[in-house]
Amino acid sequence: SQQGEEDPQALSIQEGENATMNCSYKTSINNLQWYRQNSGRGLVHLILIRSNEREKHSGRLRVTLDTSKKSSSLLITASRAADTASYFCATRYSSASKIIFGSGTRLSIRP
Amino acid sequence: GAVVSQHPSRVICKSGTSVKIECRSLDFQATTMFWYRQFPKQSLMLMATSNEGSKATYEQGVEKDKFLINHASLTLSTLTVTSAHPEDSSFYICSARGDRGPLAEAFFGQGTRLTVV
Repeated sequence: SQQGEEDPQALSIQEGENATMNCSYKTSINNLQWYRQNSGRGLVHLILIRSNEREKHSGRLRVTLDTSKKSSSLLITASRAADTASYFCATRYSSASKIIFGSGTRLSIRP
Repeated sequence: GAVVSQHPSRVICKSGTSVKIECRSLDFQATTMFWYRQFPKQSLMLMATSNEGSKATYEQGVEKDKFLINHASLTLSTLTVTSAHPEDSSFYICSARGDRGPLAEAFFGQGTRLTVV
């Protein structure tokens, strides 16, 4: 499969709680990006973390990268109803120019 | 950030006809463009990579004669779905990338929802 794996596939939490999504990939990467996609719409770029970085923050988002384990996590703190969407990690591999997407996590925030 | 425009955003066509989708980089020169397909509740699957002026490289399992890609200029790539069938109904998204610096990152179009009836 060309995809990385994400878990969980689906996550439902109460508004205000934190949401954590994980992504694993297969080979060496240049960078890893996280995207959000609302149902039936285009992608919204959230954050990019380079292979030499371990953690990055943007507002309520925190991304970590562990290249030794070939994994990344996205933490959304103090979740809001508007965070309901699908979240995808995407990796740009060192050996190729293409960007490959993970399988995605469907996040639902309960009011 | 850089802007990638994809057109049309939505198209319905009859089975057996061909549909062309355009992807334009509006404020940078895109040396490489990528085409993805997304079925409902699934992730984006890379279909092909195209470099300006050369033939596209297709991913395994993607029929190059069915999905014609043309990248004739540094700002435009087109995907033509030939002899479309209902199973080709999907969300198609393009991505464009420059060749260095901040523009080495890829930017995505807003997608085209194709429905074949």
